[in-house]
Amino acid sequence: EVQLLESGGALEQPGGSLRLSCVASGFSFSSYALSWVRQAPGKGLEWVSAVSDNGVATFYAESVRGRFTISRDNSKNTLFLQMSSLRAEDTAVYYCAKSKVPGATKRGLLDSWGQGTLVTVSS
Amino acid sequence: EIVMTQSPATLSVSPGERATLSCRASQTVKSELAWYQQKPGQTPRLIIFDAFTRATGIPARFSGSGSGTEFTLTISSLQSEDFAVYYCQHYYVWPPTFGQGTQVEIK
Repeated sequence: EVQLLESGGALEQPGGSLRLSCVASGFSFSSYALSWVRQAPGKGLEWVSAVSDNGVATFYAESVRGRFTISRDNSKNTLFLQMSSLRAEDTAVYYCAKSKVPGATKRGLLDSWGQGTLVTVSS
Repeated sequence: EIVMTQSPATLSVSPGERATLSCRASQTVKSELAWYQQKPGQTPRLIIFDAFTRATGIPARFSGSGSGTEFTLTISSLQSEDFAVYYCQHYYVWPPTFGQGTQVEIK
């Protein structure tokens, strides 16, 4: 069974930084691209960032480009999202999600999601 | 980026009736379109991918259709557990954007 467990969410001031983590199990971690998707309170889903299976290729939404950095440690089955210059509009539940297809195709198609971690940006 | 537009925002349906949800892409996404279901307090669940393929464990009352820019999710006979928010998402190019969601509520 695929399991994704996010952590690191917290209350942070505008301009601050946070690092989210997602520990995975139940699948061949190094074979799949992974994404972060967020959901502001009462709002819809917004894809944030993705990283290829080997960690070389990274992708970002325009809203976070230059402020967020995605990375992974395949030796520890862990995905990260380093968030800096946080803004109030970054307040959301952040989900870690796994691509359905291994390798480089259809990396944005997501078939397993974690329970999410809440990031609140407020002074 | 490709903008995904869903309609209607809210759909009121009686149990046992058919529900038809629409999703439009601002440019072609070929068949690289998924539908997700999200119930209150739960994480999104993949129900349809590649426009019409049901994900594992999804009942046959869910069906997807369309290609290019126009897509439809049909739930043939709504069950109580189907009342939820449904999101379409393309994964044709980066970024893989979501629609704003359609809430299917009990009439």
